[in-house]
Amino acid sequence: SYELTQPPSVSVSPGQTASITCFGDKLGDKYACWYQQKPGQSPVLVIYQDTKRPSGIPERFSGSNSGNTATLTISGTQAMDEADYYCQAWDSSTVVFGGGTKLTVL
Amino acid sequence: EVQLLESGGGLVQPGGSLRLSCAASGFTFSNYAMSWVRQAPGKGLEWVSGISGSGSSTYYADSVKGRFTISRDNSKNTLYLQMNSLRAEDTAVYYCAKDQGQWGEMATIHGYWGQGALVTFSS
Repeated sequence: SYELTQPPSVSVSPGQTASITCFGDKLGDKYACWYQQKPGQSPVLVIYQDTKRPSGIPERFSGSNSGNTATLTISGTQAMDEADYYCQAWDSSTVVFGGGTKLTVL
Repeated sequence: EVQLLESGGGLVQPGGSLRLSCAASGFTFSNYAMSWVRQAPGKGLEWVSGISGSGSSTYYADSVKGRFTISRDNSKNTLYLQMNSLRAEDTAVYYCAKDQGQWGEMATIHGYWGQGALVTFSS
């Protein structure tokens, strides 16, 4: 079965750029999307089809996907961006989530 | 405004059954594929099942295949998940989620999520 691998945690200083990676076999041949989940809340879509931002998502969120790796980039990271982030793709009629990355802003 | 409201969660014994419902509003329900996604306490997201807008196509994770059944009633704007032969490892918050775009056979981009329904086990 298809698997997506994320680092368990990433730390970033306020105002700096955070990058969260998602690794999967030939992931660049599929579409990747990203969700943000804050404690006690439901997930929120922040990037879809590799690079697109839903309405209402700040421009500091961007995405890329090439080769085996998709990347979520948060420019000018703010304290409010501290959350868990999940990548997701689909393969063979199955939706697959990565294990999640806890982003700490300190 | 899109709203998804899950109900039907609760306490269950191993081997028992439960049916979750997700009442949808604010969009043309039958035009959108839907999913159930779960999250065990302190763990990550796990896709459980998906269904097309018409209900004619259904999809399941291996972990629930043969035990769970997804369905929908487009006249009632409601999504269901019938869960049978429940196991302790099925303990989780169950979210229903709506596809980002219309007319897909399977929800592959989850643009809206409900608040979740908790399924827990009694000892």
